[in-house]
This record gives sequence, C-alpha cells and structure tokens, in this order.
Amino acid sequence: AQSVTQPDIHITVSEGASLELRCNYSYGATPYLFWYVQSPGQGLQLLLKYFSGDTLVQGIKGFEAEFKRSQSSFNLRKPSVHWSDAAEYFCAGAGTASKLTFGTGTRLQVTL
Amino acid sequence: NAGVTQTPKFQVLKTGQSMTLQCAQDMNHEYMSWYRQDPGMGLRLIHYSVGAGITDQGEVPNGYNVSRSTTEDFPLRLLSAAPSQTSVYFCASSYGSNSPLHFGNGTRLTVT
Repeated sequence: AQSVTQPDIHITVSEGASLELRCNYSYGATPYLFWYVQSPGQGLQLLLKYFSGDTLVQGIKGFEAEFKRSQSSFNLRKPSVHWSDAAEYFCAGAGTASKLTFGTGTRLQVTL
Repeated sequence: NAGVTQTPKFQVLKTGQSMTLQCAQDMNHEYMSWYRQDPGMGLRLIHYSVGAGITDQGEVPNGYNVSRSTTEDFPLRLLSAAPSQTSVYFCASSYGSNSPLHFGNGTRLTVT
C-alpha cells in the first residue's frame, strides 16, 4: 500500500542547532513529495515540494529536503533552527500532487 | 487575497444532528478536497473534487457527503453526526493534480 512514514513523533532541539526530520515513503513509482508545517490552531503551509529532477530541493524559511530513492526517504533539514520553527511538520506524498497521503507528523520543540 | 476560507471555525453538535462545513476559495482552483486531522493519525482524505460537478471518495468517506456546484465552493455535509467525527477538518485546493495544495485554517468539530 502507498504510505508515508514519519518515525519521530516528537523532537527537541536547541536554538541554533541543526535539524533533520525523517520521512520514508512507500510507492511503486517516484511520488510527488511535500513537506508542510502547521503552527498551533493554523492550517498547513507548504515548505517545499519534490516532483522530479534535482534531488535536493530548497524551500521557504531556510528549509531543504533531499530525495533519496535508494533509501525511499525525503528528509527535511535546516542548518540552524530558530525558536519560531517550533511547530508540527508533516511529510506527504502521492501519485498525483493533489491527492495526498500524509505522515502522522513530527512535533518540533525548540529550547532556548 | 483570501485564499481558502472555512466556516465555522468551531462547532459543537449533538449525536444525530446534521450540519454543513463551508469551504470557499477565490483562486479559481479546479481541485478541492476535505481532510480530517486526528491526533497521531496525520491528515486523512475524506472527499475530493477535480472540478465543478465532479466528486469522488477519499480514504475515509463514510458519514460525509459533498457536492461541487461551483468552482469556488465545496461544502462538506455530516449527515448524522457521531462522536467518532469529532476532529479538525481542513479544506484544501489546488490548480490541478500537479500543483501543491493550499489549506484553509480548519474547522474544529466536537460531537457529544
């Protein structure tokens, strides 16, 4: 079955430290892949997307993600986390970009 | 530019009551969808529409009904509310199957 897995439910990092959030997918072909961020009480905001081409994609707010076919992964990274990055992050994938399967989310806490 | 607008923001229903969650977008998007978000489960697709007059079921359609009479509006109807439908509901839209979703800010529904 097609699925997206986020193995980490909750991650805590110190402000200024680097961040990597894990995402694994299970699809027959290369899916469309996305990372969204959700602040409390808000909807989801698109951070970045991968459709094809360059496997390292840049997004908003200094985030990037790398598509690794051999590992079926699409991990989200940021070199230096800011306190305002505290939120819940969702990885999503699909055979078409508009009918998404979401992971269960990773809640990021940033300590000062 | 309003984007995707959902109303109401909060709603409490008694078991067996019916109601309609409203969703409107002003971006002339063809594709619209409804997701529900439950703790630890990410977002799950309820129904979606690829254009006016066309709707289809997602992953968790039971107990919900939709219609798409205009490009702008995509209401979600709960036919007979059940406590299991307590959730946060998100409407989303996109230009088409290869475009990222834009989300509304959600409707928090409680069924007692």
